[in-house]
Amino acid sequence: GAVVSQHPSWVICKSGTSVKIECRSLDFQATTMFWYRQFPKQSLMLMATSNEGSKATYEQGVEKDKFLINHASLTLSTLTVTSAHPEDSSFYICSAKSGLAASYEQYFGPGTRLTVT
Amino acid sequence: GQSLEQPSEVTAVEGAIVQINCTYQTSGFYGLSWYQQHDGGAPTFLSYNALDGLEETGRFSSFLSRSDSYGYLLLQELQMKDSASYFCAVPFSGGYNKLIFGAGTRLAVHP
Repeated sequence: GAVVSQHPSWVICKSGTSVKIECRSLDFQATTMFWYRQFPKQSLMLMATSNEGSKATYEQGVEKDKFLINHASLTLSTLTVTSAHPEDSSFYICSAKSGLAASYEQYFGPGTRLTVT
Repeated sequence: GQSLEQPSEVTAVEGAIVQINCTYQTSGFYGLSWYQQHDGGAPTFLSYNALDGLEETGRFSSFLSRSDSYGYLLLQELQMKDSASYFCAVPFSGGYNKLIFGAGTRLAVHP
């Protein structure tokens, strides 16, 4: 159990275009989902926290107009990178947890590698 | 603020034992967790310590000393497949169930 999927697993886009990444909890209801960004050989940096039906809470320094997050259902959250630029190239990972779960009981998706040319 | 420190790299041979340390600074402590991540893959949960002492799960054990703000992950009988990055993490004291991750320790296991 506790499987989280991400789609696509990798994407290449041109500078100036937008890219949408989906995160789905396949076998549990994810009241909270987290979006992380990870550069090569570096740690996971939390970008935002989204609760189903509410606006996402962004970490300091993360542009909410650039990284649009929607958590419309208990099994789906999306991250849209708008007007992508090469510096947005990174590994984006989502995680999900149910409402009663402890913070460490997050289940991670396999990640999406974004390359902006 | 909150911060975690762990060594950047550790090297060991197959069959050996390796210990990955993590020291943390946090205004409120709710437990220390460990995650494994292979290159290009998803982090997977390994262990969680809320109380002092050693927690054992197969070849992996995790230890916590709250008085020292210190913990470690112990990997025994190392296998090549254990080559990965290992992250310690603590819940964000400000709430929202967020996790703050350490920078990660890259473990390389050699034959």
